[in-house]
Amino acid sequence: GENVEQHPSTLSVQEGDSAVIKCTYSDSASNYFPWYKQELGKRPQLIIDIRSNVGEKKDQRIAVTLNKTAKHFSLHITETQPEDSAVYFCAARYNFNKFYFGSGTKLNVKP
Amino acid sequence: SAVISQKPSRDICQRGTSLTIQCQVDSQVTMMFWYRQQPGQSLTLIATANQGSEATYESGFVIDKFPISRPNLTFSTLTVSNMSPEDSSIYLCSVEQNTGELFFGEGSRLTVL
Repeated sequence: GENVEQHPSTLSVQEGDSAVIKCTYSDSASNYFPWYKQELGKRPQLIIDIRSNVGEKKDQRIAVTLNKTAKHFSLHITETQPEDSAVYFCAARYNFNKFYFGSGTKLNVKP
Repeated sequence: SAVISQKPSRDICQRGTSLTIQCQVDSQVTMMFWYRQQPGQSLTLIATANQGSEATYESGFVIDKFPISRPNLTFSTLTVSNMSPEDSSIYLCSVEQNTGELFFGEGSRLTVL
């Protein structure tokens, strides 16, 4: 089925620390895995993505890793800042280009 | 990225009524989707809006409750029919770009009394 599991559901870190959010997917045919950040009252915004032909991708303080064998991928945020506080969603693209989302992680960065 | 406009942005509706949400994209896109986000929850795919044919619904969603139109490659509507308080949610239109990335409209926040 089209299942994407995400954990933890909440994550609290001190400013400057790193944060890691993990997701697993069920369909080995999935080939594209985006991450979204949603601030309160706003739409989800794409922050980084990874395709199945690479194992890691970085963009400044954020990075995503993919393990196709284990069918899991992770979001890494380094040197966290208070403005990183938001809800983060992972997603996987399944058949017919449909995207299914994880349950979300509420990240709180304490100043 | 495509500019996606949704309206209404919010509405308060009475139980038993229906509301149609419009989604307009500033460029032609093949794939358009409708999602629901209940308060404090994740994004749940309602259906794929297919241009020129009936929408493809996910398990748990039916055409009678959520009729969808897609008359062309830039426009779609979602109707929430015979609303109940359980339908209070944010409804989001989304499009897949040619690059494969999925972008969202600003959402329509529905409150059903």
